[in-house]
Amino acid sequence: GQQLNQSPQSMFIQEGEDVSMNCTSSSIFNTWLWYKQDPGEGPVLLIALYKAGELTSNGRLTAQFGITRKDSFLNISASIPSDVGIYFCAGRSGGGADGLTFGKGTHLIIQP
Amino acid sequence: EAGVAQSPRYKIIEKRQSVAFWCNPISGHATLYWYQQILGQGPKLLIQFQNNGVVDDSQLPKDRFSAERLKGVDSTLKIQPAKLEDSAVYLCASSYPGQDSFGPGTRLTVL
Repeated sequence: GQQLNQSPQSMFIQEGEDVSMNCTSSSIFNTWLWYKQDPGEGPVLLIALYKAGELTSNGRLTAQFGITRKDSFLNISASIPSDVGIYFCAGRSGGGADGLTFGKGTHLIIQP
Repeated sequence: EAGVAQSPRYKIIEKRQSVAFWCNPISGHATLYWYQQILGQGPKLLIQFQNNGVVDDSQLPKDRFSAERLKGVDSTLKIQPAKLEDSAVYLCASSYPGQDSFGPGTRLTVL
């Protein structure tokens, strides 16, 4: 089946630093989504991207849908302690209701 | 609006036992999904329903897993018999086109 390669696996940063993570695929996706998952909770949608080349912001978060439709990145500016968690990229290859293919996640750790 | 509800939140069973999970989606959401999330991995789609019909169950281990969606609303996922490798978090999600909302999940431990 399809796989998403998400990197880095983990990031150790200082509070206030900017963060960048990305996701690549060997297949084309029609939708890219970025989720955050806290311990003991389900994933929560951060940003949804629907068109190749689209750049979307949500507060301190910015994500882009790659031109080739095979990649996406997420940037977090000026990180704060509550940004700690696991970030997942997810892609939808078919129509608007098809199931999602997830990456393995990026574990963000903020050092005091 | 109320989110996706799941129960139980935690379940511990011994291998070869049976277990069932329940999901109540967001009101009005026609599409419902079950995902399996093994520790350290991203969620993997098991089955997708559109109303009360199965759209995609290609990744569901049908020899031991079954799922149904009664009257196009609530859904149950069953494992019978469970194996050690079934230890995971089982996530339910519902969608009203394109906006997928996840429940908190059921953490299953098989001993």
